[in-house]
Amino acid sequence: DAKTTQPPSMDCAEGRAANLPCNHSTISGNEYVYWYRQIHSQGPQYIIHGLKNNETNEMASLIITEDRKSSTLILPHATLRDTAVYYCIVKAAGNKLTFGGGTRVLVKP
Amino acid sequence: DVKVTQSSRYLVKRTGEKVFLECVQDMDHENMFWYRQDPGLGLRLIYFSYDVKMKEKGDIPEGYSVSREKKERFSLILESASTNQTSMYLCASRGTGRFHFNYGYTFGSGTRLTVV
Repeated sequence: DAKTTQPPSMDCAEGRAANLPCNHSTISGNEYVYWYRQIHSQGPQYIIHGLKNNETNEMASLIITEDRKSSTLILPHATLRDTAVYYCIVKAAGNKLTFGGGTRVLVKP
Repeated sequence: DVKVTQSSRYLVKRTGEKVFLECVQDMDHENMFWYRQDPGLGLRLIYFSYDVKMKEKGDIPEGYSVSREKKERFSLILESASTNQTSMYLCASRGTGRFHFNYGYTFGSGTRLTVV
């Protein structure tokens, strides 16, 4: 599975959009981009995933560049409860999930 | 909603004890996983199972075993607990096929095990 690079931390203002970048320059054609988050003392939570088209669900939007070498997770209106570690993972559909360091997002009032 | 339930939130055991961590999921998922999470090391896969009675080693299986006698239950066993097995243990399940929610994993809340 391709390696991902994320900033270790970022702050975001409550009510504003949070844009979380992820680089995955070695991504293969059959690999998906997944995003999970882990709120303190809880298990990781699935957010969204995509292959090459942009995706949106009730939690977030995923923007994948045309060359698929990077992506951005967008939390449209961050709330204090969105404070968590966000993991960007690239893997083929049937492969196991591997978590890296993630981005620690702090939503500030 | 899919629910993954881990039997204990906090557990304290003595060195050398045999420890059972239980995990139950209620959505008929074929695949179940055990991870441990340690500061600075992220989540590491211990064992996984893709069907009843089937199991595969993950990245760090040493000192652990698993049991999957029923589809909904996946047990992690520490044969002889040691202090370096003090960790947060997370169970997850995942369905297969297009009908399952985007191949996403659903995690339990975790069991924080302390071995003294």
